[in-house]
Amino acid sequence: AQTVTQSQPEMSVQEAETVTLSCTYDTSESDYYLFWYKQPPSRQMILVIRQEAYKQQNATENRFSVNFQKAAKSFSLKISDSQLGDAAMYFCAYRPIQGAQKLVFGQGTRLTINP
Amino acid sequence: GAGVSQSPSNKVTEKGKDVELRCDPISGHTALYWYRQSLGQGLEFLIYFQGNSAPDKSGLPSDRFSAERTGGSVSTLTIQRTQQEDSAVYLCASSLALQWETQYFGPGTRLLVL
Repeated sequence: AQTVTQSQPEMSVQEAETVTLSCTYDTSESDYYLFWYKQPPSRQMILVIRQEAYKQQNATENRFSVNFQKAAKSFSLKISDSQLGDAAMYFCAYRPIQGAQKLVFGQGTRLTINP
Repeated sequence: GAGVSQSPSNKVTEKGKDVELRCDPISGHTALYWYRQSLGQGLEFLIYFQGNSAPDKSGLPSDRFSAERTGGSVSTLTIQRTQQEDSAVYLCASSLALQWETQYFGPGTRLLVL
């Protein structure tokens, strides 16, 4: 079974600085998608960034970028120029391209932004 | 356009009662998912609907849980004889058939079983 592990229950960063959230996963599949979702106190999960495993280039979305290491099964999220609005729970998620369509989530990392 | 909506936002019930949670997906989205998020935990898959195909019920934790999707749109998750361990946030998500990889989530229903 596929599993996703986020080893940092909590992280904090000073406003305007950079922070990296870690995620590792376990799968025997060769093709899959990886995601980072943000969950603010409103509870609504918001897609931050996604990566297709067959793409070697790391995905970027404005201040958000990933470091995807397929061989190491690692998928970290870097947030540059942190803003107060970035404070939230961040979840890493996995989904295979074939087969079950469900997302497999990690336990989440609570990110605090210090002003 | 409108996103995924869920109702009620919060629900408090007594142990042993039945509850129904509703999800309205984004218009045109043929895939619909239910997840459960227990306190301080990640999301756990419950059930998945895609068009007219038989639903994937592999994540339902017990036979007290059931879900249906009427007319390929609105979905209802029913929990019978609720137990305290059913207390959680229940999240619904939907996606386009041609964009399987992106699931858009609703705000969830927080269920508290006393």
